[in-house]
Amino acid sequence: SYVLTQPPSVSVAPGKTAKITCGGNNIGDKSVHWYQQKPGQAPVVVVYGDSDRPSGIPERFSGSNSGNTATLTISRVEAGDEADYYCQVWDSGSDLHVFGAGTKVTVL
Amino acid sequence: QVQLVQSGAEVKKPGASVKVSCRASGYSFITHGLSWVRQAPGQGLEWMGWISAYNGDTNYAQNFQGRVTMTTDTSTRTAYMELRSLRFDDTAVYYCARDGEVAGLFDYWGQGTLVTVAS
Repeated sequence: SYVLTQPPSVSVAPGKTAKITCGGNNIGDKSVHWYQQKPGQAPVVVVYGDSDRPSGIPERFSGSNSGNTATLTISRVEAGDEADYYCQVWDSGSDLHVFGAGTKVTVL
Repeated sequence: QVQLVQSGAEVKKPGASVKVSCRASGYSFITHGLSWVRQAPGQGLEWMGWISAYNGDTNYAQNFQGRVTMTTDTSTRTAYMELRSLRFDDTAVYYCARDGEVAGLFDYWGQGTLVTVAS
């Protein structure tokens, strides 16, 4: 089955840039979606289709995807960005949805 | 606006079954499939399966095949997820999530339903 690999945690100072990676075999051929989840809340899409942002999501959130790695970048990090972030793809070969294990972003 | 409203928390004994509901509003129910995703305490997201609200076709993750049944009632715009033979490690928050316009995207989520399996 398809596996997505994320770092367990990322720490970043306010105002700096956080990069969260999501590794998978030829993930560049897939459409990657990123979700933010704060404690006690349901996940929310922050980036979809590799690099698109839903309305209402700040431009500070951006995504890229190439080769074996997709990346979520949070620029000018704010305290409110502290959350768990999950990457997710639909593996068309197996017709299954797969989530990464999640990355906890801590704002120092 | 699109809303997915789930049923309330449940406490079940091992071996029992639970049925969680997800009532949709704000869009044409049959035009979007729905997935169920669960999250054990302190753990990540786990996709359980998908149902077409149009014709009831289902696709279950291997981990749940034989124990889960997903259904919809178009008259009430409600999706259901039933999990049988509950085990302690089925304790989790269960979410319904709507298919987005982009392949594989879950664009709207329910608020989650906590299912606790305890003796």
